[in-house]
Amino acid sequence: GAGVSQTPSNKVTEKGKYVELRCDPISGHTALYWYRQSLGQGPEFLIYFQGTGAADDSGLPNDRFFAVRPEGSVSTLKIQRTERGDSAVYLCASSLNRDNEQFFGPGTRLTVL
Amino acid sequence: GDSVTQMEGPVTLSEEAFLTINCTYTATGYPSLFWYVQYPGEGLQLLLKATKADDKGSNKGFEATYRKETTSFHLEKGSVQVSDSAVYFCALSGEGSGGYQKVTFGTGTKLQVIP
Repeated sequence: GAGVSQTPSNKVTEKGKYVELRCDPISGHTALYWYRQSLGQGPEFLIYFQGTGAADDSGLPNDRFFAVRPEGSVSTLKIQRTERGDSAVYLCASSLNRDNEQFFGPGTRLTVL
Repeated sequence: GDSVTQMEGPVTLSEEAFLTINCTYTATGYPSLFWYVQYPGEGLQLLLKATKADDKGSNKGFEATYRKETTSFHLEKGSVQVSDSAVYFCALSGEGSGGYQKVTFGTGTKLQVIP
């Protein structure tokens, strides 16, 4: 079956602009996670959704970052007033429920010029 | 908080050589431990896992044993192939706020296998 998909695969933007990154989880997966992977580092947790609600957003670095999952499926990570330090690969993962294996998407590479 | 430390790369080996990638962790409670692999141009994939002390995870010829006394989960393979070239991440899961399994990753170790 289809895995986790993320769009776009690459996004180049200018400092100060707003960006949206999309994640389509595996159908039927109730849990969804966002991670950020900077160059040469492992993924770092950003936010966890159970259904439509953000159950843990403790990893969001500041209030420029926001994520939604309005219908409990697709999620959008939104970054306002982007900074060069936001450049990274943003990974999305989903799991059947909160206790199960997480399946990762291919990521969106964000470059802020 | 929880943390994972793994050996820095890159690691370069000849085909059929023995592989060890060291991983140690710090965590409260009893985490599950994982190795993920990221092949060039692909997403993260779960390679193997162990959920309690002394468990051995294995897959595709790779093995790792959950050692609580040394807080380690070293990855090994007896004979590597060129196709094993990838970045390997050690990770643990512990309970996050919200009651889910929060995954913490190491920094990754790049493995290059040459023919």
